[in-house]
Amino acid sequence: SQQGEEDPQALSIQEGENATMNCSYKTSINNLQWYRQNSGRGLVHLILIRSNEREKHSGRLRVTLDTSKKSSSLLITASRAADTASYFCATDTPSNTGNQFYFGTGTSLTVIP
Amino acid sequence: DSGVTQTPKHLITATGQRVTLRCSPRSGDLSVYWYQQSLDQGLQFLIQYYNGEERAKGNILERFSAQQFPDLHSELNLSSLELGDSALYFCASSVQFSGQAFFGQGTRLTVV
Repeated sequence: SQQGEEDPQALSIQEGENATMNCSYKTSINNLQWYRQNSGRGLVHLILIRSNEREKHSGRLRVTLDTSKKSSSLLITASRAADTASYFCATDTPSNTGNQFYFGTGTSLTVIP
Repeated sequence: DSGVTQTPKHLITATGQRVTLRCSPRSGDLSVYWYQQSLDQGLQFLIQYYNGEERAKGNILERFSAQQFPDLHSELNLSSLELGDSALYFCASSVQFSGQAFFGQGTRLTVV
């Protein structure tokens, strides 16, 4: 089963607005990463936040991590039409057979010009 | 360009057949991951190799197998293909077995 679950499944906003996506996961993690996928293409890494970090910024992106709630959020500020894509969280999870790298089901973001 | 190369880009084959998907990781990356993405679905983790050895196994069917060769490229073998195996198959690589992963553009497999 999937480790991460994103919410909402789909989000539609006007250009210039902020977009917030949430990710919940089930087990302990080493780090959590956010990726973007344009339709039918490969995933592009956006940002990585380690389990001992609470917040991280990269350009228009802000990621928070709450390990007590096993949740993370991705905020995209001042959205642009080019931000239209699916966004996935991925958890780097230790196990007795090695680290496992699980993706959530994704949030489909549409930014309307 | 992520530096991860997957071939072929597209593959159409019949049920019952066997195919091999190939992945060349970024130069210097020791870890390779394989994922399956069905239509409008998230990515299902299949398997991970690190420096030639299997490190982690996810939801990989017994009909599927993979290996990582001494030159660090990896192959995913899918046999006795079924219609439901139609999906995008992604390979990703990272320097170690943890951390940022770089994805290839995927192989789109269509089983008819």
